[in-house]
Amino acid sequence: AQSVTQPDIHITVSEGASLELRCNYSYGATPYLFWYVQSPGQGLQLLLKYFSGDTLVQGIKGFEAEFKRSQSSFNLRKPSVHWSDAAEYFCAVGPSGGSYIPTFGRGTSLIVHP
Amino acid sequence: KAGVTQTPRYLIKTRGQQVTLSCSPISGHRSVSWYQQTPGQGLQFLFEYFSETQRNKGNFPGRFSGRQFSNSRSEMNVSTLELGDSALYLCASSTRTSGSTDEQFFGPGTRLTVL
Repeated sequence: AQSVTQPDIHITVSEGASLELRCNYSYGATPYLFWYVQSPGQGLQLLLKYFSGDTLVQGIKGFEAEFKRSQSSFNLRKPSVHWSDAAEYFCAVGPSGGSYIPTFGRGTSLIVHP
Repeated sequence: KAGVTQTPRYLIKTRGQQVTLSCSPISGHRSVSWYQQTPGQGLQFLFEYFSETQRNKGNFPGRFSGRQFSNSRSEMNVSTLELGDSALYLCASSTRTSGSTDEQFFGPGTRLTVL
């Protein structure tokens, strides 16, 4: 069965600093990978996804993620964090076909200091 | 296009009662999934409906059930509520058809508190 690990429960950065949120997955085949963001009191919003092709994926709000098969990782990055980026971030992995039951990581809470 | 809507947004119930939550997917989306989100367990998949049929089911007891109507709207029901059922219940819709996968669009959730 697939699994997703987000090693960092909380991350604190200063506004304007760069950001990297880690995501490691366990899956036997080529995974479908997602990053979602959840603001307080809201549902989840898709930031970006990887299905195939270019391993560097661009998303909304200036985020990008890189799929590294050798490291089973799909880390999320942003070069300069804004205070409005403070939220919970979830990495998710799904099978590449057939029955799709997404597995979500436990989430990383991003705190942004002014 | 309107997003996924969930009603009600907040609910307070007591142990032993039952509750029904409603979800209206994005127009044209036929797949509706339900998740339970708690601080201790994170996001856990409950079930997925497609064309009025339950297609996938997570590891939850039979007290949790759902259904989907011909217009793709979905309801989930929890009977004999327990304190541990207190959670944010999220609904997500997608264009996913059989044998494919796609991104999910989430509603704002229903916050259920069981006293």
